[in-house]
Amino acid sequence: NAGVMQNPRHLVRRRGQEARLRCSPMKGHSHVYWYRQLPEEGLKFMVYLQKENIIDESGMPKERFSAEFPKEGPSILRIQQVVRGDSAAYFCASSSELVQGKLFFGSGTQLSVL
Amino acid sequence: GQSLEQPSEVTAVEGAIVQINCTYQTSGFYGLSWYQQHDGGAPTFLSYNGLDGLEETGRFSSFLSRSDSYGYLLLQELQMKDSASYFCAVYNTDKLIFGTGTRLQVFP
Repeated sequence: NAGVMQNPRHLVRRRGQEARLRCSPMKGHSHVYWYRQLPEEGLKFMVYLQKENIIDESGMPKERFSAEFPKEGPSILRIQQVVRGDSAAYFCASSSELVQGKLFFGSGTQLSVL
Repeated sequence: GQSLEQPSEVTAVEGAIVQINCTYQTSGFYGLSWYQQHDGGAPTFLSYNGLDGLEETGRFSSFLSRSDSYGYLLLQELQMKDSASYFCAVYNTDKLIFGTGTRLQVFP
């Protein structure tokens, strides 16, 4: 049973380019969460999605960031016109429902903006 | 607003017991979770407390006092492989809000 799959593991972009981060949840999971982590810091909630719906995007920056979880295919976190401050590890997590505070995390995508 | 506080770093020796505290301020509180993260790795779930009291899972135990907005993670019989960052996280309405993490270093 495959876990949460994220790709790519490492992504390098130049300022102004677009970054697309992908996340396939665990089989049977319909809830997806995206978190951002800076070095030596905690995980900052960004967005919570269910299939075809954004449930909570209270942690998403108002501009340049968007997320989707289509009926078919992986969840996508999209960052337009990246800036150096976007450099971070982006983790995706999934659950069948938020049972007892338990999320299953992917290995993350390390985004580096040059 | 929401906030969680944990010590930034804790050190201990192999075989010892260490306690990592977490205090929180939040609305819509459902429970407190703990996660472990090794350098360069993904966070992994350790335990969850939805009710007051102690939950035990092998060498790890977690405690919650809702009236005090306080919890802790207790690690016993420490091993070198326990060196990692530990995060408390509040289950808040529909998502987990994480603390800033405690870096545990275990020495031989």
